[in-house]
Amino acid sequence: QSVVTQPPSASGTPGQRVTISCSGSSSNIGGNYVYWYQQFPGTAPKLFIYRNNQRPSGVPDRFSGSKSGTSASLAISGLRSEDEADYYCATWDDSLSGWVFGGGTKLTVL
Amino acid sequence: QVQLQESGPGLVKPSQTLSLTCTVSGGSISSDTYSWTWIRQHPGKGLEWIGCIFYSGSTYYNSSLKSRVTISIDTSKNQFSLKVSSVTAADTAVYYCARDAGSGSYGMDVWGQGTTVTVSS
Repeated sequence: QSVVTQPPSASGTPGQRVTISCSGSSSNIGGNYVYWYQQFPGTAPKLFIYRNNQRPSGVPDRFSGSKSGTSASLAISGLRSEDEADYYCATWDDSLSGWVFGGGTKLTVL
Repeated sequence: QVQLQESGPGLVKPSQTLSLTCTVSGGSISSDTYSWTWIRQHPGKGLEWIGCIFYSGSTYYNSSLKSRVTISIDTSKNQFSLKVSSVTAADTAVYYCARDAGSGSYGMDVWGQGTTVTVSS
């Protein structure tokens, strides 16, 4: 069981706004940055959001990250079929002295 | 542009040692800016951080795997390696290597494509 929790699934129709949550504690999200990774089946994860809300070049501005206290979220607006993928949050845990990942959220575009 | 590539046996027998190497190209592994990381993903499951190494040789390990894991670095070959001893079927996974820019920076920003390791007799 991961110390950082995500819902296993999320869904929306094209054009909708969808939010994926990531919940932790003071030893991880509460005191450190949150990162988000996108993963398509059979491929490696790709950095999608860093330092809570920063987008690497090439990531559409439809994607945004935020953090408040011990929780973080990834919001996707104007949902598109190509957004269908698994999304993982990650953060450093000071108590464990290591990176921890959320369990991942499978996003389905209906 | 930095690229990482994992290599190693795809099949390991139970109780033996799993050994993988990650070759870094397009950049030097001898950098104060980055650590070099191993992550694994069990079939149909989420991501698990295994550990990381700095070019100085300093290491950090996932406490749940620490007793069986060794990460080493060879700066002359621009490679870093993972060894997991006494493997069982529970070590069957896709293993990824990644560059880690740090938890206050870009995080794990460059990943290898991953290599599948199956533990079976």
